[in-house]
Amino acid sequence: NAGVTQTPKFQVLKTGQSMTLQCAQDMNHEYMSWYRQDPGMGLRLIHYSVGAGITDQGEVPNGYNVSRSTTEDFPLRLLSAAPSQTSVYFCASQGSNYGYTFGSGTRLTVV
Amino acid sequence: LAKTTQPISMDSYEGQEVNITCSHNNIATNDYITWYQQFPSQGPRFIIQGYKTKVTNEVASLFIPADRKSSTLSLPRVSLSDTAVYYCLVGDPLTGGGNKLTFGTGTQLKVEL
Repeated sequence: NAGVTQTPKFQVLKTGQSMTLQCAQDMNHEYMSWYRQDPGMGLRLIHYSVGAGITDQGEVPNGYNVSRSTTEDFPLRLLSAAPSQTSVYFCASQGSNYGYTFGSGTRLTVV
Repeated sequence: LAKTTQPISMDSYEGQEVNITCSHNNIATNDYITWYQQFPSQGPRFIIQGYKTKVTNEVASLFIPADRKSSTLSLPRVSLSDTAVYYCLVGDPLTGGGNKLTFGTGTQLKVEL
């Protein structure tokens, strides 16, 4: 049981490049979310999904797209990276016990 | 969603009991209170969740008074490895609130020898 798996762990992008952060969970959780965490700050919700085919915006959605074609996967896409998107990104899923399970994070630097 | 307020930082020594209080004056009837722990360079980890009175597990205890406008996370006999950021969250896990949990800046607990 791997829990929540995020790839890659580290990534450096040039301004304007695009990329997809991958997130997969094997716990059959319906609810999944993406957060970003900047130095010295708490986590801010980017997008979330309550099930396959259903997504919605969180607190800071601009510059990010998501999709949920399967229960297991919830990728986060950066269409045109900007230095302001330099951050650590966490994916989380929620099961019936109400607690979130977080991935180990992706550290993204945009230069 | 109910807003939470907790101390920015706390210091303690090994072997002591640490109590971190969180205020959530606007908590709704269906809201649960959940605490997470985060170490540097790691994702938050679920510690404990409760609705009212007292909840205890192998890691911590959670005390919630009758009015539910605050809660206290109690860590017994802390060690150096308990140095981390602790987040208090309030939300209804069965509706949209459960999936839009907002993390504040948390409480940085530092445990020393």
